[in-house]
Amino acid sequence: DAKTTQPPSMDCAEGRAANLPCNHSTISGNEYVYWYRQIHSQGPQYIIHGLKNNETNEMASLIITEDRKSSTLILPHATLRDTAVYYCIVRYNNDMRFGAGTRLTVKP
Amino acid sequence: DTAVSQTPKYLVTQMGNDKSIKCEQNLGHDTMYWYKQDSKKFLKIMFSYNNKELIINETVPNRFSPKSPDKAHLNLHINSLELGDSAVYFCASSRDVSDGELFFGEGSRLTVL
Repeated sequence: DAKTTQPPSMDCAEGRAANLPCNHSTISGNEYVYWYRQIHSQGPQYIIHGLKNNETNEMASLIITEDRKSSTLILPHATLRDTAVYYCIVRYNNDMRFGAGTRLTVKP
Repeated sequence: DTAVSQTPKYLVTQMGNDKSIKCEQNLGHDTMYWYKQDSKKFLKIMFSYNNKELIINETVPNRFSPKSPDKAHLNLHINSLELGDSAVYFCASSRDVSDGELFFGEGSRLTVL
């Protein structure tokens, strides 16, 4: 019942930028987009979130389209340790519901 | 100094038994959660508590009973364990119910034989 669509898997070369897309065409005006990742069966880890403006922190950048129907998570210089499943989540009713995510594999 | 800690990390038990998984957070958060991740790796919310009060209760069999003795603890008790209960259970916490930055524990892998 996730409100997002992500590609099931992506590869990225080490040191290059990883751009992970997410579609959320039914997002409502007050719903935030959150990104989490899960490294090999560890607990999920919060990365970043945004409403309509682009956001950046020490981990990543989040680009949200003007119509808010899609977003892209950017890891500027991917390392092998960034290999993980990345979840894009539209949060509604104070509820964090995870979809299938994108399995990102960073290759040397 | 683990922020969200769960015990035990691994639990192997027989069908029909009753078991508990404990969770504690030392972040001073008001809201705590239980998630279940099955063999297909889907992560589903089970329960959410805010200041010891239940606020989310998904369609979970009533064999699962969460207990929150105080806002720093949210334990999960499971009665009459079934094979399908085998999964990794994650506890998480957030500052309050409106905060979407969840801090997760390392998970408790339950195997029912």
